[in-house]
Amino acid sequence: EVQLVESGGGLVKPGGSLRLSCAASGFTFDNYRMNWVRQAPGKGLEWVSSISSSSRHIFYADSVRGRFTISRDNAKNSLYLQLNSLRAEDTAMYYCASENLLSTVDYWGQGTLVTVSS
Amino acid sequence: EIVMTQTPLSLSVTPGQPASVSCKSSQSLLHSDGRTYLYWYLQRPGQSPQLLIYEASNRFSGVPDRFSGSGSGTDFTLKISRVEAEDVGVYYCLQTKQLPKAFGQGTRLEIK
Repeated sequence: EVQLVESGGGLVKPGGSLRLSCAASGFTFDNYRMNWVRQAPGKGLEWVSSISSSSRHIFYADSVRGRFTISRDNAKNSLYLQLNSLRAEDTAMYYCASENLLSTVDYWGQGTLVTVSS
Repeated sequence: EIVMTQTPLSLSVTPGQPASVSCKSSQSLLHSDGRTYLYWYLQRPGQSPQLLIYEASNRFSGVPDRFSGSGSGTDFTLKISRVEAEDVGVYYCLQTKQLPKAFGQGTRLEIK
């Protein structure tokens, strides 16, 4: 059974930093591209970042480029998102999601909540 | 960048009746590899999204056959043949043909 478990969310002040983690199991992690998607309270889904299986190809939404950094450790079956220079508008549930070899974003974690507030 | 537009934004359906959600993209989602990079998800209340349909018309593993996807190019439709109580939630389309990946605004389905 595929499992994606996010952690690391919390309350942080504007300008602060957080590191989110996503622990993967139940599939061959190093064969999959991985994504972070976020959802502000009461709003829709927004793609944030993607990383290829080898970490060679990394992409970001314009809204986070230069502030967020995606990474992965295939030996630990883990995905990460470093969030720096946080703003109020970054407040959201952050989901990690796997993307299979056919580019289908198939499985999602339960999310970790990031709240940016003074 | 590709913009995804869903209609309607909300639906109220009697159990056993059909429902339909439209998703239009600002550019064709047909790739030169012959595949169409359009997906449908359901987010039930308090849950994370779950994949229903991939590549416009293929049901994902375990998805009931009352769900179907159709369309090509820029116009796509998700249909539920007979709505059940468990179908309540928000439906999203997603394009992954081009970065940035883009979701529709979501369509909220409620039961009458």
